[in-house]
Amino acid sequence: GENVEQHPSTLSVQEGDSAVIKCTYSDSASNYFPWYKQELGKGPQLIIDIRSNVGEKKDQRIAVTLNKTAKHFSLHITETQPEDSAVYFCAASMRGGADGLTFGKGTHLIIQP
Amino acid sequence: GAVVSQHPSWVICKSGTSVKIECRSLDFQATTMFWYRQFPKQSLMLMATSNEGSKATYEQGVEKDKFLINHASLTLSTLTVTSAHPEDSSFYICSASGGGDSGANVLTFGAGSRLTVL
Repeated sequence: GENVEQHPSTLSVQEGDSAVIKCTYSDSASNYFPWYKQELGKGPQLIIDIRSNVGEKKDQRIAVTLNKTAKHFSLHITETQPEDSAVYFCAASMRGGADGLTFGKGTHLIIQP
Repeated sequence: GAVVSQHPSWVICKSGTSVKIECRSLDFQATTMFWYRQFPKQSLMLMATSNEGSKATYEQGVEKDKFLINHASLTLSTLTVTSAHPEDSSFYICSASGGGDSGANVLTFGAGSRLTVL
C-alpha cells in the first residue's frame, strides 16, 4: 500500500518568514495530494490540493509543488502569520480524490512573534 | 463551501455504556463517509469507510462489533462505540467526500468528537 513520509515533525519559524513542509510518497500511481490544517481540538481543514497533471498550485500565501519523478510534494507558506500556527497533514491517494487517502504523520508549525 | 457537522463535539460516559456520534453533510450529498480516530499528537487513523445503503468497510484491526457504523442516508452517518472502555477514549473525526467544486471528489472533515470514557 501507499506510504507517506512527512518532515519535519515540528517547524518553528519567525513571523513573516517562509515555512516549507515536505512529503514523499511510495506509490507512483498516486495522483491526488491534498494538504490539511488542523487547529487544536478541531477537525482538519483542506487548505490546498494538487493533482498529478500539475506541477505547482498557488493560493495567496500558500503554494504546493509536486515532483512526480522524485515522488515528493511540498507545502510552502510565505509571510507567515500567528494564525498559521497549527498541525499540517499531507496526504496521497491513488484514486484521484478523497477515497483511499493515506496521511502523513503531521507537522506542528509554530510561528514565533 | 462544503460543511460537515459532527455531534457531539465532546462526550463523557461511564465504562460499559454506548455512545453515538453523528456526522452530517450539510450542503451536499456524501456518497462516502469516513471515520477516523486520532490519538494526541498523532496522525489520523482510518477506521472505516461507509457508503450509503451498504455495510461499512473496516480497516484491519478495527472491531466492527465495537464500532458500529450506519450510513442510512446521503447526508448522515453514525458511529456507535458499544460498551465503551477507557481505552476507547480518543478524538473521533468523520469526513465526507463529494463536497468540492463541480462535485470534485475532495474530503471535508467534521470538527471531531472527543470521547472520554471513565
